[in-house]
Amino acid sequence: GQSLEQPSEVTAVEGAIVQINCTYQTSGFYGLSWYQQHDGGAPTFLSYNALDGLEETGRFSSFLSRSDSYGYLLLQELQMKDSASYFCAVRCDNAGNNRKLIWGLGTSLAVNP
Amino acid sequence: NAGVTQTPKFQVLKTGQSMTLQCAQDMNHNSMYWYRQDPGMGLRLIYYSASEGTTDKGEVPNGYNVSRLNKREFSLRLESAAPSQTSVYFCASSEYERGGEKETQYFGPGTRLLVL
Repeated sequence: GQSLEQPSEVTAVEGAIVQINCTYQTSGFYGLSWYQQHDGGAPTFLSYNALDGLEETGRFSSFLSRSDSYGYLLLQELQMKDSASYFCAVRCDNAGNNRKLIWGLGTSLAVNP
Repeated sequence: NAGVTQTPKFQVLKTGQSMTLQCAQDMNHNSMYWYRQDPGMGLRLIYYSASEGTTDKGEVPNGYNVSRLNKREFSLRLESAAPSQTSVYFCASSEYERGGEKETQYFGPGTRLLVL
């Protein structure tokens, strides 16, 4: 079967750095995305990796290792507003030569003062 | 640009009642999706529509039907609501880049449904 694994909860303090890991087992692989969701809100796109390496967008970076079927989201200089759930999602094969996006269960990040 | 809009925002139903959740997007996207989100369960795909005129089942389609009315609108219908359908429902649409392999989904604000 196809699956994504990420930790259910992470806690950190303001100003710190936190890494949220995601390992995947999928049929085909075309890219790993990260989404952020604040309580009561809708998921919003953060980043995308198709090739090995690090992609940086401001305080957030995302890393991918295709050979290890592994990626992570790195949040630096944590702020209280970063408290949210973070989902990894993998674009993989679907029936009939199509693609689909499958989702991890999400990691709840709590940033404490 | 309103992005993805959903109505209603909240709804309370009694078991056995029916209702339709509405979704519209103004980004000219071909693909649209309906998800449900329950605590600890992440996002589960109910139905999707790869293009106008087509719909396909996702991982949890039982108890639901959909209609892709036109390119903009994708509705979700509960014919006979059950307490197990109490959830938050999100509609999304997709944009593709890099030869179609980078998919970015844009979500509506959600509909919070309680079935008593």
